[in-house]
Formats: sequence, C-alpha cells, structure tokens
Amino acid sequence: AQSVSQHNHHVILSEAASLELGCNYSYGGTVNLFWYVQYPGQHLQLLLKYFSGDPLVKGIKGFEAEFIKSKFSFNLRKPSVQWSDTAEYFCAPRSSNTGKLIFGQGTTLQVKP
Amino acid sequence: KAGVTQTPRYLIKTRGQQVTLSCSPISGHRSVSWYQQTPGQGLQFLFEYFSETQRNKGNFPGRFSGRQFSNSRSEMNVSTLELGDSALYLCASSFGTGGLNTEAFFGQGTRLTVV
Repeated sequence: AQSVSQHNHHVILSEAASLELGCNYSYGGTVNLFWYVQYPGQHLQLLLKYFSGDPLVKGIKGFEAEFIKSKFSFNLRKPSVQWSDTAEYFCAPRSSNTGKLIFGQGTTLQVKP
Repeated sequence: KAGVTQTPRYLIKTRGQQVTLSCSPISGHRSVSWYQQTPGQGLQFLFEYFSETQRNKGNFPGRFSGRQFSNSRSEMNVSTLELGDSALYLCASSFGTGGLNTEAFFGQGTRLTVV
C-alpha cells in the first residue's frame, strides 16, 4: 500500500537553530514530491517541489529539500529557523501509479524567540 | 489573479442533515481535489475531478460525494452528517489536467461543525 511517513510530530527549536524534518514514502512509479506549510490561520502553501532533475531543490523562505531515491526520502531542511517559521509542515508525494496527492500526518514546528 | 475560493467559510449543521460545499478553482485550472483535515487523521484525500469526471477517489463512505461543472467549479456533498464529519474541508486546484508534474493550490477551507 502507498504511504507517507513524517518522522516528527512536534518539533520545538530556538531561533537560529537548524531544522531537518524527515519524510519517507512507499510509492512505485514516477513520483512528484512536495512540502506544504500551513501557518496559523492560513491556507496551505507550497514550500517547494521536486518533479525531476537536481535532487536538491530550493524553496521559499530559505527552505530546501533533498530527494534520495534509494532511501525513498525527501527531507526538509533550513539552516537557521526564525520565529515566523512556526507552522505545520506537510510532506506530500504524488505517484504516477495513482495520480493522487497524499499527505503525511504533518509536523508542528514551534520556534521560540 | 484570484486564488481558490471556497464557500462558505464556516458551517454548523445538525447530525443527520446534509451539507453542500462549494469550490471555485483558479482561472484556467481544470482539476479540482477535495481533502478532509482533522487533528486526529490529518489531511485525507476525498476525491479529484477533471473535466466533470471523478478521476480519483479516497477511502470515504458513499455519504461523501462530489461533482464538477463545465466551468470547473466543484461541489462536495455530505449526507446524513455524523459528529465525526466535523472537519476543515479543503479544496485544491491544479492547472490544466492536473496529475503528475503539476502543483496543487489550496483554498482557505470550509470549517464544518456537526452538533
């Protein structure tokens, strides 16, 4: 069965700390990979995406993610978080087999000033 | 360029009633998907429509249904509401046919409370 797993449900960091959120999926076929962010009271926004090519992708607000095909992973990173990064983060793969965009359970990031 | 518009933003319904939610996609987007978001289950895929046809379906009971109109606007309907249907319902649209190599743009959602 196709599934996506985010390793951390709740992460608390101090400002300027580095961030890495893990995401693993079990999908066959060609895969698109996305990270979405949901700031408090706001709608889901695309942070970054991977379709093909360079496995290291850069997104908005200094975020980046690396696609490692052999590990079925797409981890999100940011070298130095800010208080304004407090939000919920969702990893979402889409497989060519089903066409569905499926979301992980989300990681709540709390950044302390 | 207007984003994905969902109406209404908030709804309160009684158990056993039915409800219809509406979604207007971004102009030029022809693929519309619906998701249910709850604290316990996260974001769960309901269904996806393209060209007035349901292209994909999630694992929800038949009480959940949807449709898409020729102008790409979509509605979802939930009949015989249960307390567990209380959730944020999100609509997303994608350019053209949607699917692989397209990104989904989300609306603000409709917050449904069943009492």
